[in-house]
Formats: sequence, structure tokens, C-alpha cells
Amino acid sequence: GAVVSQHPSWVICKSGTSVKIECRSLDFQATTMFWYRQFPKQSLMLMATSNEGSKATYEQGVEKDKFLINHASLTLSTLTVTSAHPEDSSFYICSARDHLLTLSQNTGELFFGEGSRLTVL
Amino acid sequence: LAKTTQPISMDSYEGQEVNITCSHNNIATNDYITWYQQFPSQGPRFIIQGYKTKVTNEVASLFIPADRKSSTLSLPRVSLSDTAVYYCLVGDWSSGSARQLTFGSGTQLTVLP
Repeated sequence: GAVVSQHPSWVICKSGTSVKIECRSLDFQATTMFWYRQFPKQSLMLMATSNEGSKATYEQGVEKDKFLINHASLTLSTLTVTSAHPEDSSFYICSARDHLLTLSQNTGELFFGEGSRLTVL
Repeated sequence: LAKTTQPISMDSYEGQEVNITCSHNNIATNDYITWYQQFPSQGPRFIIQGYKTKVTNEVASLFIPADRKSSTLSLPRVSLSDTAVYYCLVGDWSSGSARQLTFGSGTQLTVLP
């Protein structure tokens, strides 16, 4: 099956610093990737939709200047948490759809990365 | 949005069949129903997807009644390793909208020995 890889798996940083999380589709092309945040014992919350070659679309309440998303190629999207604070500590998960599979079948599954645990001290 | 409602938690014993029902009263004509499984500190994993009637794969079955306002994920003969949170999502892939990306509260399934 298709694989989505995230890096790093976990990261600890000091308050005020910026952290970059990478999301890669390893064996398929993904024109669209999605970023989620999940707090302990809670469900996934969609943060933004990352579109290759264009600006990301952010969900209501998500600060685009704080959570910078770049989707420079068909296999890589990055999420940068700028000026991180302890309240940004969370589990960040990316997902992607196989572009060609979605077009051909009109259905689709999301392939999720392993997640990245961010702890801001 | 096609809001989904699931039981918060369920307990079962090893070897039993488990049925988790999801309500989605506002499902639209073009919406598909997809179920995911999530273990702690991992990303969700696709289980099964369907539109109507019954779908079966190597790990689960999905039952969807004619009105499509609910769906039931059936896990045969569960084991301890099936302990996880299960989410149902509904949405229209063809439109490219984010509706199918909205996770509800999910169901915490605990399998007991």
C-alpha cells in the first residue's frame, strides 16, 4: 500500500523557536496533503489543506502565520510551527491522497503518516 | 457537514464479533463512508470504505442500510491487538471538499482477554 512518512517522529523545543515537520509520500504523487493536530484523548482536527504549487487552505481558527505550510513538490509538504509555545504541544499528523487513484476511482482513502509529537518547553 | 455520531467506547472479549455503528443522518447522495483505525501515537489506518449495501475485505465488513443514514463496521473475532479508536468519516471524494476529512469523536474499542 501507499506510504506516507513524517519526520521527525518526535521533537522537543524551547518556547519561541520554530519547528519544521516534513511529510512525504514515498511511492505516489500527492497534489493535496492534509495536516491534522490531535491533543491527548481527543480526535483529529483538520488544520489545513496543502496544495502543491499553491497556497495552503487553512481551517477556521488556525493561524496561517503561525503554522506555515509549504508544498513544493508532489511528494513533500512541510509544516513549520513558528514561535512555538507550550500550548502548541500536540501530535501533528499529515495525510495524502493518491492523486491518480482518486481520479480513476472517484473514491479514495487517505494515507496517514506516523505522526510527529511536538513538545514545547 | 455530514456529522457522524458513534458510541464513545465499547468493550469486547477476544474471539467475539464486534459491531460499531455510526449515524450520519445528513449524508449526501455522493458521499462515501470510510472507517479508520488509530492506535495511540500513530496515524489512522484505513480499514474499509463503502457506498451502499455490504462491503467486505480481509479485515472487516461494512454494512450500510438502504437509507444510508447509518453504517456498521463489523470486526470478526477480535483480538487484543484490535484495541484502538475507530472513526467513521463520510464525504464526497469527487468534489475534493474537506467534508470527508472531518473526524468525529471516534469509538474506543477495548478488547479484553
